[in-house]
Amino acid sequence: EPEVTQTPSHQVTQMGQEVILRCVPISNHLYFYWYRQILGQKVEFLVSFYNNEISEKSEIFDDQFSVERPDGSNFTLKIRSTKLEDSAMYFCASRVYGGPTGELFFGEGSRLTVL
Amino acid sequence: AQSVTQLGSHVSVSEGALVLLRCNYSSSVPPYLFWYVQYPNQGLQLLLKYTSAATLVKGINGFEAEFKKSETSFHLTKPSAHMSDAAEYFCAVSDTTSGTYKYIFGTGTRLKVLA
Repeated sequence: EPEVTQTPSHQVTQMGQEVILRCVPISNHLYFYWYRQILGQKVEFLVSFYNNEISEKSEIFDDQFSVERPDGSNFTLKIRSTKLEDSAMYFCASRVYGGPTGELFFGEGSRLTVL
Repeated sequence: AQSVTQLGSHVSVSEGALVLLRCNYSSSVPPYLFWYVQYPNQGLQLLLKYTSAATLVKGINGFEAEFKKSETSFHLTKPSAHMSDAAEYFCAVSDTTSGTYKYIFGTGTRLKVLA
């Protein structure tokens, strides 16, 4: 069964360092998302991406964040200068259909710990 | 703005007992609603979705949910809890006010099943 895969599963970094989280969405999917979940809190929307550009971003997704689809398979989230409050689980999601009923498929997440 | 509220961050039930996880929505337009489950150290998996076709929706693993417009609710139920149901459950609404139809999640309910 096709699935969304994310790497790394866990990354520990020092404050101020750059981090890149990688995702391989399901191959025929066209809409891509990043969400994050701070420990014990709700899953929050960060950004959506379609047709090689950002279609929507939340207030959380400031200038320190960027996304890219460098080739036909990967979808990356970059945090330029990490802060302590960036520590969270980051989920990548994708779907083939962009309408309101299209199921979002999630990866298993990348846990980021900023020291 | 559309939103969902999950009452009860933690719910405990005995094995074999009824599971009831509550979700209320706020939306000025007909909502599209989802329940996701997150097992420990895993991503989010779709349990079921409401897309206005039928008010009683059946999902995987014996779960079902009923859309009640008069109560603005979409509670998740399962007649008989199993130990393997222990997980975190998230209610979500598709944001139809944005062109991306991103999901907006509730704060989650952690279900504990007692032997």
